[in-house]
Amino acid sequence: GAVVSQHPSRVICKSGTSVKIECRSLDFQATTMFWYRQFPKQSLMLMATSNEGSKATYEQGVEKDKFLINHASLTLSTLTVTSAHPEDSSFYICSAMGAPSTDTQYFGPGTRLTVL
Amino acid sequence: AQSVTQLDSHVSVSEGTPVLLRCNYSSSYSPSLFWYVQHPNKGLQLLLKYTSAATLVKGINGFEAEFKKSETSFHLTKPSAHMSDAAEYFCVVRSGGYNKLIFGAGTRLAVHP
Repeated sequence: GAVVSQHPSRVICKSGTSVKIECRSLDFQATTMFWYRQFPKQSLMLMATSNEGSKATYEQGVEKDKFLINHASLTLSTLTVTSAHPEDSSFYICSAMGAPSTDTQYFGPGTRLTVL
Repeated sequence: AQSVTQLDSHVSVSEGTPVLLRCNYSSSYSPSLFWYVQHPNKGLQLLLKYTSAATLVKGINGFEAEFKKSETSFHLTKPSAHMSDAAEYFCVVRSGGYNKLIFGAGTRLAVHP
């Protein structure tokens, strides 16, 4: 139980294009989803928190207009990196939280984004 | 503000010997603490969590951790390492009444034959 998937697992795009990453909770309803960024050999940094049907709450220093987050249903959240640049290349990880364990985040496998 | 410090960036053990991964936390009130493991190309997996119940917490795969308030520590242990335990381990504290997780820098565990 509590499985979270991400798609795609890897994506390569050209500078200036936009990329959408999907995060799905497969066997539970995720009232809250989180998006993290992980640089090589570093820890995870929270980018934003989204509650279903509400606007995402972004952490300080994260550009809202660059990293668009949508949480339109209880099983799906998307992160769109707009006008991507090479410095956006990173490992993006989502997590989801919901019944029955409302105090535990379950993580997706991550998406490796490379911007050329 | 909450924070966690993982005292070792790398730990190397022989298969069959004990594992100790150290974590200290800082919190102005009773924290919720977690240990997650990250295998290459896989998602983070919850090993165990402490949420103000028993101070000795047992997790999956033979891991356990003890919450010591007097030492502000939450070290992860396993009596006997297995090759499959080689991975990155993160000590994590939850930010108070919010659901924000604050990650430690991680400890890479290497297990050699």
